[in-house]
Order: sequence, then C-alpha cells, then structure tokens
Amino acid sequence: NAGVTQTPKFQVLKTGQSMTLQCAQDMNHNSMYWYRQDPGMGLRLIYYSASEGTTDKGEVPNGYNVSRLNKREFSLRLESAAPSQTSVYFCASTGGGTEQYFGPGTRLTVT
Amino acid sequence: KQEVTQIPAALSVPEGENLVLNCSFTDSAIYNLQWFRQDPGKGLTSLLLIQSSQREQTSGRLNASLDKSSGRSTLYIAASQPGDSATYLCAVTSDRGSTLGRLYFGRGTQLTVWP
Repeated sequence: NAGVTQTPKFQVLKTGQSMTLQCAQDMNHNSMYWYRQDPGMGLRLIYYSASEGTTDKGEVPNGYNVSRLNKREFSLRLESAAPSQTSVYFCASTGGGTEQYFGPGTRLTVT
Repeated sequence: KQEVTQIPAALSVPEGENLVLNCSFTDSAIYNLQWFRQDPGKGLTSLLLIQSSQREQTSGRLNASLDKSSGRSTLYIAASQPGDSATYLCAVTSDRGSTLGRLYFGRGTQLTVWP
C-alpha cells in the first residue's frame, strides 16, 4: 500500500515547454486534488476531481489542465510553462469525509 | 470565501514545554477540520481529523479541539520534543454547496523546539 505517489520528484523546464505531472493513489478514494505551495502563500487548490469522470477548477487553475484518467490516476498538465509556475506541486486524495492523504510533492523550476 | 488563519506564524520553545497552536476560520459551514505536519522539503502528514460534530480528538501527546460556532480550533502539544520541530497546518473541509469537499488551508505555524 503506497498511498499517494507522484512523478517526477524534481523537474526543471524552460519557459514555453510543456510537461505532465502524474499522480496515483491505491486507497480506492473517489476524490483527488492538485495543489501548489509557494512561500508566504500557503497551499492553493489548482484543480480537483470529486469522482471519476469529473473535474473542477480550484483557486488558481489558469495555465493548467487536468485529466482524471481512471479512479486511481489524476494528472496535471502545464501546456506552456511560465516562471510564475515555479512551485512545489502536491497531489492528494480522500474518500468521503475522511482525512486527505498527500503525495511527496514535485519540485518544479521554470527558467 | 473561507479564510483560515493560523497564529502564531512561528514559535520557538525549549524542550519540555506544553504549547498551543491556534487556527481560526471565517465560515462555520465545515465538514471537518484537519491538522497536518510538514517537515522541510517533504509532503504533508495528517495528524488529527475532527468531524464537525466532534469537540476534540487526541493522539498521543497531541490534542485538537474544535469550536465550530466560534470558528476556532487549537492544537495542544504536551511535553514538546526537538522531533516536534516542523510546520503545522490547519485545514477545513467546506460543507457549502458550491465548494463542497474542498479544503482550505492556513499558512501554518513554524515550530522549533530546542534542546
């Protein structure tokens, strides 16, 4: 039981490049989330998926797209990376009113 | 919009002290409240979850209370140890229709416990 896993752990991109952050959970949770964490800003919700087949925007969705591939997997895509997207990205999941479990994070730098 | 505030932003104490971290939230329509711990460069680890119908939860040296009507929660750490040094985050889960299930985080209290 690995919980929530994220790949990659670290990534450096040049402005304008694209990439996809992968997240998977093995707890049979319905809901999955993508957050970004920046110094002095706390954790902010980018997108979430309340159940398989649905996705909704959070507080800071601009510049990102998501795909809920199946119940286990929820990916985050940056189509054209910008320096403002330099951050630590966390994926999380929850199963109906219970605690949220977080992945270890992806540290992204955009130069 | 739900706003979560944590006070103090930073706290430095000697080993052995009992301490209290505070969390307040502006919208009482919450499903639950969760306290997390985050070590530098790491992800978040859930410490305690309090459902909206509960008043407190305990785990070892940690005790969290919830006063939903006043929009407040406290995390009490007994007999603090250097290993407790970390950032502690409070988060509430919205119970309001348009934002049902979303988590709102405070900015955290950075705790340092020195020997």
